[in-house]
Amino acid sequence: QKEVEQNSGPLSVPEGAIASLNCTYSDRGSQSFFWYRQYSGKSPELIMSIYSNGDKEDGRFTAQLNKASQYVSLLIRDSQPSDSATYLCAVNGAGNQFYFGTGTSLTVIP
Amino acid sequence: GAVVSQHPSRVICKSGTSVKIECRSLDFQATTMFWYRQFPKQSLMLMATSNEGSKATYEQGVEKDKFLINHASLTLSTLTVTSAHPEDSSFYICSAKATGNIQYFGAGTRLSVL
Repeated sequence: QKEVEQNSGPLSVPEGAIASLNCTYSDRGSQSFFWYRQYSGKSPELIMSIYSNGDKEDGRFTAQLNKASQYVSLLIRDSQPSDSATYLCAVNGAGNQFYFGTGTSLTVIP
Repeated sequence: GAVVSQHPSRVICKSGTSVKIECRSLDFQATTMFWYRQFPKQSLMLMATSNEGSKATYEQGVEKDKFLINHASLTLSTLTVTSAHPEDSSFYICSAKATGNIQYFGAGTRLSVL
């Protein structure tokens, strides 16, 4: 079992729709959770960090964390073609190890 | 967010030569930096964790004598690919860990070995 699991996609949504990206993790002691966006040929850039259960909103992005279910998600409202990228879920485990998912490819169709 | 500078952004070298890549945290001190490798259309692969003032911790399957890591200060880590071969051609990315356990990434180095 991988430490962090993501659906590789591709996920396609029409422009203006909500894109929902999901991630599960195996280390129940994990405390820090992150979403990164990676454009093709570029390095990852941080979008959101979340540390406690519930929702955290930043502009069009909302991260949701449910530690009991070991589940973290990212919602992108009013999706734009510029949001087309690979989204990486990352988890900082109890042993201070850092684990990345394999990423979900998102395409926003104009 | 914090800024991590990585140089060079691109390097082309002949087989058998060594290449050094630098990773600097510009506006924060990073006791821990990470080195990743990414092949086209594949996910990030952690190569090693670099801790300031101590030896790097390499992931299984990564040759420590081939990929030399030096973390001499709180703002600088270097990765040297020794005796590079075409199969070492890849996208190398560093990151530095900042407050809140957040990793900030450098822009990456695209290595092409001829």
